[in-house]
Amino acid sequence: QKEVEQNSGPLSVPEGAIASLNCTYSDRGSQSFFWYRQYSGKSPELIMSIYSNGDKEDGRFTAQLNKASQYVSLLIRDSQPSDSATYLCAVNTDKLIFGTGTRLQVFP
Amino acid sequence: GAVVSQHPSWVICKSGTSVKIECRSLDFQATTMFWYRQFPKQSLMLMATSNEGSKATYEQGVEKDKFLINHASLTLSTLTVTSAHPEDSSFYICSARLGDVNNSPLHFGNGTRLTVT
Repeated sequence: QKEVEQNSGPLSVPEGAIASLNCTYSDRGSQSFFWYRQYSGKSPELIMSIYSNGDKEDGRFTAQLNKASQYVSLLIRDSQPSDSATYLCAVNTDKLIFGTGTRLQVFP
Repeated sequence: GAVVSQHPSWVICKSGTSVKIECRSLDFQATTMFWYRQFPKQSLMLMATSNEGSKATYEQGVEKDKFLINHASLTLSTLTVTSAHPEDSSFYICSARLGDVNNSPLHFGNGTRLTVT
C-alpha cells in the first residue's frame, strides 16, 4: 500500500466551479499535512498547511482533514484556468512523503 | 518571494562526467536541507537529508557514493552527481524549512533539470 494516495486524474472542471481534490494516507501517526501546486516543469509551491481535524480556509482554498479516516482534501472555489496544474498532497511522518499528484484542468 | 535558491536551473552533461547543484537558503539558516528527485509524470522522491556539519542521511536505494552531498554552511548545501549516466537524467529539487520545527512545511528551490547524454 502506498503511503500517500491520490487519484492521478485529470480532473476537469469548468471555470468558476469548485474543484475537489482528495488524498488518503497510511500512517496514523502523521501530524502535519500539506498541499502543493506544481506547474509543468516547475518545482512545487506550497498552498496550504493543515495540522488539526476540520477545515482551514485561505482565500479560494479550503483544506479539510479527518485523521480518523486518514483523509485530507483540498477544495478550490471559483476555479480559474490559471489553477490548472498538478496538486500534490504531502504528509509528514518522520519525513515528508508526497503523493503522485492529481492533475487539474480548468476549462473556460 | 523565493526562500530557497537553486543553481543551475538546467544542465546538460556527457555520460561519465560529474555535475554539481547548489542549494542556498535565502535570509535564513537551514541546518537541514532535503534533496528530492522527480522523474517525468512521477511524484517527488526523497533522496537524502543534508545536515550541516555532519554526514547526509540517504534514503534506501540511493547510492551515497554517486550522489555526494556537502552541507558546509548554514545556508548552502550541494549535491554532486558523480559519473552521471543517462538514467540519472531527472529533475532535482532541494528544499528547506523556514523554522526548526519538524511540522513546518518545506519550501522548494526552482529545481535543476539534468540531462545526461
